[in-house]
This record gives sequence, C-alpha cells and structure tokens, in this order.
Amino acid sequence: SQQGEEDPQALSIQEGENATMNCSYKTSINNLQWYRQNSGRGLVHLILIRSNEREKHSGRLRVTLDTSKKSSSLLITASRAADTASYFCATANAGGTSYGKLTFGQGTILTVHP
Amino acid sequence: EPEVTQTPSHQVTQMGQEVILRCVPISNHLYFYWYRQILGQKVEFLVSFYNNEISEKSEIFDDQFSVERPDGSNFTLKIRSTKLEDSAMYFCASRRRTRDKDTQYFGPGTRLTVL
Repeated sequence: SQQGEEDPQALSIQEGENATMNCSYKTSINNLQWYRQNSGRGLVHLILIRSNEREKHSGRLRVTLDTSKKSSSLLITASRAADTASYFCATANAGGTSYGKLTFGQGTILTVHP
Repeated sequence: EPEVTQTPSHQVTQMGQEVILRCVPISNHLYFYWYRQILGQKVEFLVSFYNNEISEKSEIFDDQFSVERPDGSNFTLKIRSTKLEDSAMYFCASRRRTRDKDTQYFGPGTRLTVL
C-alpha cells in the first residue's frame, strides 16, 4: 500500500452515530494532518497531530496516532448530515530535506444519512 | 480568518496552450505549495517554494511547469504547453511553520480543463 492509505474507502452511517476512519503510512513522519473535502471543493484542514503526540481532540473530532504501527484514526462523534464529505489523511515526512511536502491518502468517502 | 485565494476558479484551454494559475497565499506565510487532484484520484504534490526558490518538486513537475512569486503577494503556476492529462483540480497551499503551528492551508482550487 502507498503512504497515507485510508480505510474504509467508503463509510455510510446514520446521523448521531460515530464515524471512524483509519490511515496507515510507511515512512517516519513529522506530523499527520486530516483534511476534509466536500464534493468538487477545496481542502479544509481539520486537525494536525505531531509525531510525539498520541491523541488530540478538537470539538467532535478525536485523532489518535500510533507511530509504532504507523497508523492514525479519525473519530467523528455524533455525526451530522453536514459531515458528509471525503476525508483525507496527509503525512509530512521527517527529515531535514523536507520542506513540509504532504503525501495524501486515497481518502474515505463518508455519507451521513439524516 | 485569513485565507488562501486562487484565480480563476475554472480555466478551460486548448491542448498546447499556456496557462497561468494564480494564488494569493496567507500574508505572513513563508512556504508555498502546488498540488493537483485528477478527478476521482488522490491529491498529489507538485512543488514547494521557499525563500524565493523551489525547495522540492515531484516527478510530475517537469520542464513544462514553472512557479513564480513575482511580487510580495502572488504565487503562480505556469504550464507551458498543456496536455489532456493536465486536466485536474490545482490547489495552492501556504504554511508559516512556527513552534506551535505547522499547518498547510489550502485554497479553493482551480479546475483546469484541457480540450
């Protein structure tokens, strides 16, 4: 698999349920960021977690990072129909030559039914 | 809150024509990027720009592509002779990088259609 692979590829849930998306990566990272994209639109930054952090919260979002397994998860609690979008993880590689280039995964398409 | 802006939102061009995509990054940011997303595919890194020069580029960013920061505010991507496969959404991003913040902020994108 490639750097920044999400699973599942698609997730369909009912409003009020929690949504969990996972991301795996291959190289050592400086940080991992989650972005949201509504259909045909731009990328909205959701949350950044650094390589020395294990968990981070922002509102209804909870991100975990396990550097030993090279994986991260994004949990959206109490989902709403407005959360329907594609969600991408993106990694910034560790290393002195990196100027912050992000490597994106394929994304998870989340559909929240009212 | 400051935003990255991009113009135009949609550009249609004929194969072989030159296009310039424009971006205005967030004003106190120092790192600038271009990414692209072919329809239905993932976002791909093209190039990063820091201290008035290219700091990193991908294999996609060949001699047909160039970037410029002509003044203190604009950041442009030029494609010299467009191909059909250049059709994609092109995103500009900027980043400041402080001890506490390392986020890349993306613009809304320019949809490039090459006919």
